[in-house]
Amino acid sequence: AQSVSQHNHHVILSEAASLELGCNYSYGGTVNLFWYVQYPGQHLQLLLKYFSGDPLVKGIKGFEAEFIKSKFSFNLRKPSVQWSDTAEYFCAVKGSGGGADGLTFGKGTHLIIQP
Amino acid sequence: ETGVTQSPTHLIKTRGQQVTLRCSSQSGHNTVSWYQQALGQGPQFIFQYYREEENGRGNFPPRFSGLQFPNYSSELNVNALELDDSALYLCASSVGQGEKLFFGSGTQLSVL
Repeated sequence: AQSVSQHNHHVILSEAASLELGCNYSYGGTVNLFWYVQYPGQHLQLLLKYFSGDPLVKGIKGFEAEFIKSKFSFNLRKPSVQWSDTAEYFCAVKGSGGGADGLTFGKGTHLIIQP
Repeated sequence: ETGVTQSPTHLIKTRGQQVTLRCSSQSGHNTVSWYQQALGQGPQFIFQYYREEENGRGNFPPRFSGLQFPNYSSELNVNALELDDSALYLCASSVGQGEKLFFGSGTQLSVL
């Protein structure tokens, strides 16, 4: 069975600090990988995704993530966070075979940025 | 705005009762999936409907069922409610079986 592990449930940073949120997955095959974000009072929305090709993918609002196949990891990074990045971040995985098996999400990381 | 609306926003039911949750997707989104999010957890896949047929299911019992209609609306039905069914239920739509999901804001279900 596939699973996603997010290393930190709560992260508190000051503005302008660098961010890295860890994500490891377990899946017996090729995968598509995602980061979703939920800002306070808003819907879950896609931040970035990896399907194939360049393992370093860029998303909205200056976020990027690197797929390291040998480590089964897909860590999210941002060089300098802003107060508006305060949100819940979810890593998710899905088999790349195009089936209808849905996304498997991690438990999420609650990120708080202090001004 | 994602263009996906869910109703009601909150619901309180008693153990053993049945509940229907509703979702309205964006026009043209012929795939809808439902997720259950318990407190402190990530969303968990319940099932997916494509062109009004269920074509994928997670690890949920048959008392969780659904319907999808031609007008881009859909329903999640849960029979014989249990206390553990208390959670936020999210609807997500997409074009085809595409990977970009558009989520609604969810229905918070409390089972007493």
